[in-house]
Amino acid sequence: AQTVTQSQPEMSVQEAETVTLSCTYDTSESDYYLFWYKQPPSRQMILVIRQEAYKQQNATENRFSVNFQKAAKSFSLKISDSQLGDAAMYFCAYRASTNFGNEKLTFGTGTRLTIIP
Amino acid sequence: GAGVSQTPSNKVTEKGKYVELRCDPISGHTALYWYRQSLGQGPEFLIYFQGTGAADDSGLPNDRFFAVRPEGSVSTLKIQRTERGDSAVYLCASSQTGLQPFFGPGTRLTVL
Repeated sequence: AQTVTQSQPEMSVQEAETVTLSCTYDTSESDYYLFWYKQPPSRQMILVIRQEAYKQQNATENRFSVNFQKAAKSFSLKISDSQLGDAAMYFCAYRASTNFGNEKLTFGTGTRLTIIP
Repeated sequence: GAGVSQTPSNKVTEKGKYVELRCDPISGHTALYWYRQSLGQGPEFLIYFQGTGAADDSGLPNDRFFAVRPEGSVSTLKIQRTERGDSAVYLCASSQTGLQPFFGPGTRLTVL
């Protein structure tokens, strides 16, 4: 079974600075997808960024980028120029690519990010 | 509506009671997922519907949990003989196959 581990329960960063959230995972599959989701107090999970395992290039979405190390099974999220609105729980998630339409996600336990004004 | 909606937003019940949680997916989304998020944890998969059928119910913790989606749109998660350990946020997500899922705001269930 796949597992996702987030070893940082809480992180904090000064506004406008850069922070990196860590995630490792375990799988025997060669093709899969990895995600970072943001969950603000409203509880709604919002997709931040997505990475396909077969792509060597790291995904980037504006201020958000990932460092995907497939051999090490590591998938960290870097947030640049942190803003107050970035404060939330961040979840790393895994999805296998061969489930015939079943796109269920396996989540880590989350990292609570605080932005210091 | 524009997004996935879930009702009620909050539900408080007593141990042993029956509850129903409702999910209205985005119109046209054929895939629907239920997840359970306990305090301090990430969401855990419960069940996946493709159309009207439950294609994967491997995450349901026991036979007190059941979900339906009779017309391939709205889904109801049903919990019988609730226990305090069932207290959690229940999240619903919907998607078109192959595309990213959109999550609802969840229902916070509290069992006293």
